[in-house]
Parts: sequence; structure tokens; C-alpha cells
Amino acid sequence: EPEVTQTPSHQVTQMGQEVILRCVPISNHLYFYWYRQILGQKVEFLVSFYNNEISEKSEIFDDQFSVERPDGSNFTLKIRSTKLEDSAMYFCASSLQGAANQPQHFGDGTRLSIL
Amino acid sequence: QQPVQSPQAVILREGEDAVINCSSSKALYSVHWYRQKHGEAPIFLMILLKGGEQKGHDKISASFNEKKQQSSLYLTASQLSYSGTYFCGTNRDDKIIFGKGTRLHILP
Repeated sequence: EPEVTQTPSHQVTQMGQEVILRCVPISNHLYFYWYRQILGQKVEFLVSFYNNEISEKSEIFDDQFSVERPDGSNFTLKIRSTKLEDSAMYFCASSLQGAANQPQHFGDGTRLSIL
Repeated sequence: QQPVQSPQAVILREGEDAVINCSSSKALYSVHWYRQKHGEAPIFLMILLKGGEQKGHDKISASFNEKKQQSSLYLTASQLSYSGTYFCGTNRDDKIIFGKGTRLHILP
């Protein structure tokens, strides 16, 4: 069964450094998402991406964050200058259509630890 | 606005039933249910799209009461594999807003 893959599985970074999290969505999916989950808390929406542009973003997704689809398969999340509070599990998800009536398939996540 | 889930946590013995509720103060257009095991990704269970809709597979089912702006997830004759955190989510445009989750622990 096709799946969403994320790399790396764990990233340790010094505060203030840039980090790029990578995702390969399911190949025929058109919508891509990033979510964040702080340890023990709920899954929080960050951003959705469709047709090569951001379709929606949350208050968490400030100027320090950006997303890109550099080629036909990868979808990346960049955090420009990491803060301690960015430590969390970051999940990429994709869906065939928008969130209204299609399931989102999640990758296994990248655990980001900011020191 | 995020949906509210209840209860926050449930402990059951294998074979017992559980109900997890999800409600919203705003109109629900669809309700998504996911299960997440510790350290793993959320796994899609089902979507309910219309008021009055009920869905299920195996012994996990859900209903959607659009007028009451709520959904319930039913786990019948629970198995050890059902342990995990259950999240309901409501869609707002292209995003899902998740509730805080209900932790379900099944004892043998």
C-alpha cells in the first residue's frame, strides 16, 4: 500500500539554526499538509498546500516557516531560525482531494529536538 | 475552534465496549476519526460526511448528529489492539482541526 515517507526520523538542531524536514507524499495525491504535535498534546495544523501554493496556514505558521515542493515528489518544511518551543513531532500528510471528504494519510513523522 | 472530546481517558478490560464523544460549538461539515498509538502516526479510521450517517468496520463504528453538532465513536468488544489515543477532527476548508484526544487503554 502506498505511504507517505518522511526523513529524517529524528533531527537534533541547535537553537537559531535552520532545519529542513522532508516528505514524499503518496504519488497521485494533490493536497499536502504539515502538522505538529508537541509531546503528549494534540495534533495541530500548520499548513496545507495545493497546486503549488499554500491554501491555508495556521497562526503557528509564522514567517519563520516555509514550505516548498521543489520537484514532482518532495514536499519540504523549512524552519529558518529554530526556537526551543519548535521541539515537537512534525507530521506530513497527503490526500487525494481536500480535507472535506477525503482521508489524510500521515507519514511516521520527524521528531525535532532543539537544544 | 477545536472540537471537544470526552472522556479524556478510558480504561477497559478486553471485551468491554466504549463510546468516545466529539462535539463542536460550530456547525460540523464532516467529522474525521483517527487513532494514534504511542510514538506512531495517526491512522485514519473513518469520515462521516452527512448528518445521520453511520459507518463502521470490524467492531468500530461512528455516528454523526449534525443538528447536535456531535459525533460518537463506538468500540464494541474491545481488543488489545484498540489501545491508543483517538482523535476526532472537523474540517475547516483545507485543514482538519483535531480535538485533544481520548486515551484508551485496554487491559487483558
